[in-house]
Order: sequence, then C-alpha cells, then structure tokens
Amino acid sequence: DAGVIQSPRHEVTEMGQEVTLRCKPISGHDYLFWYRQTMMRGLELLIYFNNNVPIDDSGMPEDRFSAKMPNASFSTLKIQPSEPRDSAVYFCASSLWGPKNTEAFFGQGTRLTVV
Amino acid sequence: AQKVTQAQTEISVVEKEDVTLDCVYETRDTTYYLFWYKQPPSGELVFLIRRNSFDEQNEISGRYSWNFQKSTSSFNFTITASQVVDSAVYFCALSEHTGTASKLTFGTGTRLQVTL
Repeated sequence: DAGVIQSPRHEVTEMGQEVTLRCKPISGHDYLFWYRQTMMRGLELLIYFNNNVPIDDSGMPEDRFSAKMPNASFSTLKIQPSEPRDSAVYFCASSLWGPKNTEAFFGQGTRLTVV
Repeated sequence: AQKVTQAQTEISVVEKEDVTLDCVYETRDTTYYLFWYKQPPSGELVFLIRRNSFDEQNEISGRYSWNFQKSTSSFNFTITASQVVDSAVYFCALSEHTGTASKLTFGTGTRLQVTL
C-alpha cells in the first residue's frame, strides 16, 4: 500500500484566496483525521471522520475551515478565505478500528503558506 | 481533559550515547492508549509504538525501548547507542478509549540531535 497520500505537498497562496488540501487514506481504513502543526500550538486535531461521516469537528478553528469526505478514498480540507495565521503543516491520517484499536498512519503533510 | 507533557524541549547527545525521552500524561480515563511518533527532518510522522493502559509490560525493539509506569503516569522512551539517523523530533501522544484510538493528544515534542 502506498500509505496516506496528501496533495499538494506545498501550497503558497495569497490572503483571501480559497485553498483546498486533499487526502487519500489507506485503503480499507475507516477513520480519517486532519491534524494541524504549528510552532505555537504544536499538533492539534481539527476533525475526524468514521466511515465518511464527520464525528468530531470541535478542533476546527473557525467557520472558514470546512472538511468533507465524499467517499472512503478521498477527503478535502478547505479554507475560505485563507489568512496568514492559517500557515501551518496540515496532516491527514487514517486508521482502522479493531479490537486492538490500531495506530494512525500519517501522510507526509501539506505545508501551507498564506502571504 | 487529557494532557501530555514532554518537559525536554531539546536534547543533544554524541553518537553511541544512550538517551531517554520523558513523557508524562494526564487522563481521567481508566482505559487509554499511549503512542510515540518520530518526525525526522523530512517532516513526516512515523509511528513507533502503541501501548494500552492495561499492559504495563515494557517493550524493546532493537535499540529502542519503552518504559510504561502507570503509577507515575509516565511513558518514557530510551534509545540505546544513539545514531545520527535518530536525529528527529519525537512526540508522545495519548488517546482515550473511544471508538478509535487515533484521536490523539500530542505532547510538544522533544528534539533530539545526535552528533558524531
């Protein structure tokens, strides 16, 4: 398996523009997570899905952020409009629920810079 | 609320030295999961180990070992005979026993620098 795939790896956009981050989870995994990493706040969970349904979006910072999972193999995180303080590395991760609750596997991240 | 504390911000060692990374956690749950992840300079997050709260056995994997002590709420990570390739940021993380063990609360990370 290719692992969790995120695109783009790097994104530079101007303030006010819409930005969409994409994620393809590991095939067969039923949980998908979006995390954000910043120097100030470290790694924090934004939202997670189970079987394509959003379960907990309490970490989404503002209404400017939205996430969707239209099918089991694709998810997007959208920021509209973007602001400089949204600059961060955004990670997508997936996992498989089971009796032993397996670990999350992370993608390589998308480094977002809003200028 | 859950909390993970990694008090060591940065550690520098010379190759072949042993090094221990500390992790202290707080949770009100009786069932939970603990993890260590490695973030090398390339930026990805690499899973190292998962520990269930009801399994206090220590674990060794090659040069890596983990010491889980519920009495002190600690889950420390030791690298024996460190190598330059071990240079990375290491994160300890905690998960409640919900439908998934992957809703993680991360510590702030410890940056390990191994030099020749």
